[in-house]
Amino acid sequence: AQKVTQAQTEISVVEKEDVTLDCVYETRDTTYYLFWYKQPPSGELVFLIRRNSFDEQNEISGRYSWNFQKSTSSFNFTITASQVVDSAVYFCALSSLGQNFVFGPGTRLSVLP
Amino acid sequence: NAGVTQTPKFQVLKTGQSMTLQCAQDMNHEYMSWYRQDPGMGLRLIHYSVGAGITDQGEVPNGYNVSRSTTEDFPLRLLSAAPSQTSVYFCASSPGTSGRNNEQFFGPGTRLTVL
Repeated sequence: AQKVTQAQTEISVVEKEDVTLDCVYETRDTTYYLFWYKQPPSGELVFLIRRNSFDEQNEISGRYSWNFQKSTSSFNFTITASQVVDSAVYFCALSSLGQNFVFGPGTRLSVLP
Repeated sequence: NAGVTQTPKFQVLKTGQSMTLQCAQDMNHEYMSWYRQDPGMGLRLIHYSVGAGITDQGEVPNGYNVSRSTTEDFPLRLLSAAPSQTSVYFCASSPGTSGRNNEQFFGPGTRLTVL
């Protein structure tokens, strides 16, 4: 069975602080894919990143970075120097090879000016 | 390209009414899916399709039907609406026969309230 846990329900930070959103996943498969999506207050779902289980390199995209650790089954997301526009609900998701997406419950991030 | 479109954006139903949520994509994606989003539960898969003429159940299929007569369209039918179906519904599509492992492109969502 697949499962995604996002233990942080809500996080509040002040602008320019760094913030890390945790994602822990469970799967018995060796081939799987991990995703992060952003849902701003407007409600749409915005794709941020996709990683496969064989690529453990960390990734950086501007102020965003992702830390994938198979040893702890985690795929954490860090926003550096947060901005008010980063306020959103962030979802982590997992799909094992040939299986459908499973989403975590989401983490609501509020960045205060 | 319009991407994934959904209609209506908002809908209010009375218990027992039926309706169809429309979803269309113009990206020639094979894989399409329907999710519902409820507070604190993330998105849960209702039904999905890996191509025209092929549909299957997801995690929470009860009370919903789907069909896929064309690659572009994937309507979701509520047979007899219940208050427990009050939710935000998202349609998504992704490319390839293994679309379920690819980036999902989401529509803007339909907010449904059942009284």
